[in-house]
Amino acid sequence: DAGVIQSPRHEVTEMGQEVTLRCKPISGHDYLFWYRQTMMRGLELLIYFNNNVPIDDSGMPEDRFSAKMPNASFSTLKIQPSEPRDSAVYFCASSAPLAGASYEQYFGPGTRLTVT
Amino acid sequence: AQTVTQSQPEMSVQEAETVTLSCTYDTSENNYYLFWYKQPPSRQMILVIRQEAYKQQNATENRFSVNFQKAAKSFSLKISDSQLGDTAMYFCAFMKIAGNQFYFGTGTSLTVIP
Repeated sequence: DAGVIQSPRHEVTEMGQEVTLRCKPISGHDYLFWYRQTMMRGLELLIYFNNNVPIDDSGMPEDRFSAKMPNASFSTLKIQPSEPRDSAVYFCASSAPLAGASYEQYFGPGTRLTVT
Repeated sequence: AQTVTQSQPEMSVQEAETVTLSCTYDTSENNYYLFWYKQPPSRQMILVIRQEAYKQQNATENRFSVNFQKAAKSFSLKISDSQLGDTAMYFCAFMKIAGNQFYFGTGTSLTVIP
């Protein structure tokens, strides 16, 4: 398996623009997580899905952030409009605890977002 | 609420020596999992070791082992025979069985000195 795939790996955009981050979880994994990592706040869970349904989005910072999972193999995290304080590394992770696998989360390589 | 505390922001160790990274957590749950993840400069998050709370035996993975003290809510990571490739940020994580949500510590930056 190719692991969790994220695109793009790097994104530079201007303040006010819309940004869309993409994630393809490992096939068969029924949980998907979006994290944000910054020096100041560390790793923060933004939202997670189970079987494509959002379970907890309490970590989403504000209405500018939205996430969707239209099917089991694809999820997006959108920021509209983007602001400089959104600059961070965004990770996607997936897991399959009910499939007899361990509870570990498998992380993608992350998207480094820079908003100027 | 669950909290995970890593009290050592930075540590260093000589190559081939042993180092221990500390982690404590706070929870009222009885069944849970604990993990150590490694994040090298490539920023990829890599699982190092996991521990099930119901298991009394400490987990080991080659040069990596844990000291799990459930009553004390402590979960330290020991790295033996440190190698240059162990240089990374290490994160401790707690997961309660219901919900599968991870709670991460703030990380410990480990540098292995040649």
